[in-house]
Amino acid sequence: QQQVKQSPQSLIVQKGGISIINCAYENTAFDYFPWYQQFPGKGPALLIAIRPDVSEKKEGRFTISFNKSAKQFSLHIMDSQPGDSATYFCAASKGSARQLTFGSGTQLTVLP
Amino acid sequence: DAGVIQSPRHEVTEMGQEVTLRCKPISGHDYLFWYRQTMMRGLELLIYFNNNVPIDDSGMPEDRFSAKMPNASFSTLKIQPSEPRDSAVYFCASSFWAGGQDTQYFGPGTRLTVL
Repeated sequence: QQQVKQSPQSLIVQKGGISIINCAYENTAFDYFPWYQQFPGKGPALLIAIRPDVSEKKEGRFTISFNKSAKQFSLHIMDSQPGDSATYFCAASKGSARQLTFGSGTQLTVLP
Repeated sequence: DAGVIQSPRHEVTEMGQEVTLRCKPISGHDYLFWYRQTMMRGLELLIYFNNNVPIDDSGMPEDRFSAKMPNASFSTLKIQPSEPRDSAVYFCASSFWAGGQDTQYFGPGTRLTVL
């Protein structure tokens, strides 16, 4: 009930391409869905987040698409750059609870 | 602000030794989280505190692990005795609720190797 399933495990994209990472959740009480970006040797950092009252949120080249009925959300990286190469984690939390349930991570490699 | 500070950054120890990891959260943050990251299990929440009080320690793997937060600016995660399977990167994160959004800020992590 607390799981967040993330796919794919790894992704290779050409520079300028679109990177898409998907997550699915089970607990309908989840109401906050952030994405974190982690570079090697660093801690994860918040990239973008969404709440279920909207179906899409865009910040620069990064977009979250949210499908409440399917209990799925995805991260789209437009015009992917080599500097975007990192591990991306989706996560979810519910209500006033502050702890996050993380997906398993996607290692993105953007080829120059 | 310097962000979340963790020490040491790297720790190599022998099985059976006591290990203490340290964390200084961002000033003003009221929540503090300890995570463990491994290739096999990903990011796991071990324990979290609110206003220095432990709220949920259900992620602590066993009694060998303990965590304290004696004041708002310092927390420790202790492993005694350590075992090779404890080898992982341990992250501390802190957060503050503002404007309907809660952002967890992670430290750089401590890479623990138990021989």
